Amino acid sequence: NAGVMQNPRHLVRRRGQEARLRCSPMKGHSHVYWYRQLPEEGLKFMVYLQKENIIDESGMPKERFSAEFPKEGPSILRIQQVVRGDSAAYFCASSPNLAGDYSGNTIYFGEGSWLTVV
Amino acid sequence: KNEVEQSPQNLTAQEGEFITINCSYSVGISALHWLQQHPGGGIVSLFMLSSGKKKHGRLIATINIQEKHSSLHITASHPRDSAVYICAGNSGGGADGLTFGKGTHLIIQP
Repeated sequence: NAGVMQNPRHLVRRRGQEARLRCSPMKGHSHVYWYRQLPEEGLKFMVYLQKENIIDESGMPKERFSAEFPKEGPSILRIQQVVRGDSAAYFCASSPNLAGDYSGNTIYFGEGSWLTVV
Repeated sequence: KNEVEQSPQNLTAQEGEFITINCSYSVGISALHWLQQHPGGGIVSLFMLSSGKKKHGRLIATINIQEKHSSLHITASHPRDSAVYICAGNSGGGADGLTFGKGTHLIIQP
């Protein structure tokens, strides 16, 4: 059972270009989360998706950023017109269901995608 | 607004020592996650706690709901335990809306 797969691992974009980061959750997982880790800063939650639905995007910048998790295929985090401040590591995680019942459900992280904007 | 504070920020210890990393959190947080980030950047979820204590191998995590405090302990520490340990909390047990601590950079010297 493959883990959470993210690609690309490293991406370099010029200012103004678009960045697309992909995340394939673990098999059987229907919940996907994206987090951003800026240099020398902690992780920050961006968005939570289920298949074809955005459940919570409270951590995602209102402009230039969008996320989707289509019925088929990976989840995509899209950053339009990238700026230098978007340079960061973007982590995806998945879980089989919402652990709000404190069942001890664990989340599984991908290896991250490192975006560098030049 | 949820807040999570970790201490210490950096910790260097000798192999075999007992390690404790602390996490305090604000009202509104009712579930705590402990994560481990390896030098290569990958993140592993170690524990999710809402009460009591959990143990996995040499790792033990405890949470005191009244004091809003959680600790991660490592017994018989080993150089391979060197990593950044991060606590994160939210109002439910899921992984959305997590507020992260800044992490504790642990180095275990042989």
